[in-house]
Amino acid sequence: QQQVKQSPQSLIVQKGGISIINCAYENTAFDYFPWYQQFPGKGPALLIAIRPDVSEKKEGRFTISFNKSAKQFSLHIMDSQPGDSATYFCAASGPTAGNQFYFGTGTSLTVIP
Amino acid sequence: NAGVTQTPKFQVLKTGQSMTLQCAQDMNHNSMYWYRQDPGMGLRLIYYSASEGTTDKGEVPNGYNVSRLNKREFSLRLESAAPSQTSVYFCASSRTGGRNTGELFFGEGSRLTVL
Repeated sequence: QQQVKQSPQSLIVQKGGISIINCAYENTAFDYFPWYQQFPGKGPALLIAIRPDVSEKKEGRFTISFNKSAKQFSLHIMDSQPGDSATYFCAASGPTAGNQFYFGTGTSLTVIP
Repeated sequence: NAGVTQTPKFQVLKTGQSMTLQCAQDMNHNSMYWYRQDPGMGLRLIYYSASEGTTDKGEVPNGYNVSRLNKREFSLRLESAAPSQTSVYFCASSRTGGRNTGELFFGEGSRLTVL
């Protein structure tokens, strides 16, 4: 059973456009929602994370929007750049969920110059 | 500062062979994890160790064993490799493992092929 569902599987965006990746979860025990960025041949690295006490978090061009009632969260990449081309994973975790990190299946983002 | 170091980076095994993937972190983290990454499946947790001396099964533990050798090192062993274990394996660590969930730091991965 997939604890965190992620869409789309792949995304192609023009340079300067907005990239949007969505995730949904079921377990209300989750209280930490990070996004990871992975370049080919490398391990994932934390991009941005949010806790459910806020509905939005922004760091530069990257924004997480969080909807607790719908159990959904999304990553928005503003002014997308070719250097943003990577695979993005959402994840969820929480102490009463065994403190495990559950990952989505990933989104391959390609930003066309 | 090396972070999380995995060895080997590449390995080819025959069905039935055994091998151990090594992982070490130099960030004094409490928790360590082993994930496998397969196309279309995301990252799936194999085993984790919330603190030195403890290990727990994740989503896909069958066919694997782990050892938390000390606070720095966490190894993953395949006793009798199967083609279904062909994957990219990632070790990760985090500062906290209790009530406060911390950032996961990943190694660069170990690419395993089982023929």
